[in-house]
Amino acid sequence: EVQLLESGGGLVQPGGSLRLSCAASGFTFSNYAMSWVRQAPGKGLEWISIISRDGRTPYYADSVRGRFTISRDNSKNTLFLQLNTLSAEDTAIYFCAKGNLVEIPNTRNFDYWGQGTLVTVSS
Amino acid sequence: ETVMTQSPATLSVSPGERATLSCRASQSVSSNLAWYQQKPGQAPRLLIYGASTRATGIPARFSASGSATEFTLTISSLQSEDFAVYYCQQYNNWPVTFGQGTRLEIK
Repeated sequence: EVQLLESGGGLVQPGGSLRLSCAASGFTFSNYAMSWVRQAPGKGLEWISIISRDGRTPYYADSVRGRFTISRDNSKNTLFLQLNTLSAEDTAIYFCAKGNLVEIPNTRNFDYWGQGTLVTVSS
Repeated sequence: ETVMTQSPATLSVSPGERATLSCRASQSVSSNLAWYQQKPGQAPRLLIYGASTRATGIPARFSASGSATEFTLTISSLQSEDFAVYYCQQYNNWPVTFGQGTRLEIK
């Protein structure tokens, strides 16, 4: 059974930092691109970052580029997202999501999602 | 950025009836379009990818069509568990973008 378990969310002050983790199991983690998608309270879905299966190629949404860094440790089946220079607009549930298939472009739709971790940016 | 516009924002349908949801892209996304279902407090669930391919385990009452800029998701006979928010997502152009969602509610 595929499982994705996010952790690391919490309350942080504006300008602060957090590191989110996503522990994966039930599939060959190193075979799939992985993404982070967020959802502000009561709002829709926003894709924010993707990383290739070998970890060498990350992409970011404009809203987070230069502030967030995606990475992965295939030896530990874990995806990460480093969040820096946070603002209130970053308050959201952050989901990790598995790329559906191994072939592009179906690495960019998502067949399994974690339950999310809530990041709240507030003073 | 490719803007995805879903309509209507809210759709009221009776159980057993058909529901048709629309998604329009601001530029062509070819057939690289997915649909997701999200229930309150839950993560999204992939329903459709490649504009018309049902994901694993998705019931046949869910069907979808379209290409380029116009897409449709149809639920042929609504079950109680189908009332949720539905999102379309394009993954042809960078960045990946989602529509704002259609809320499907019980009439």
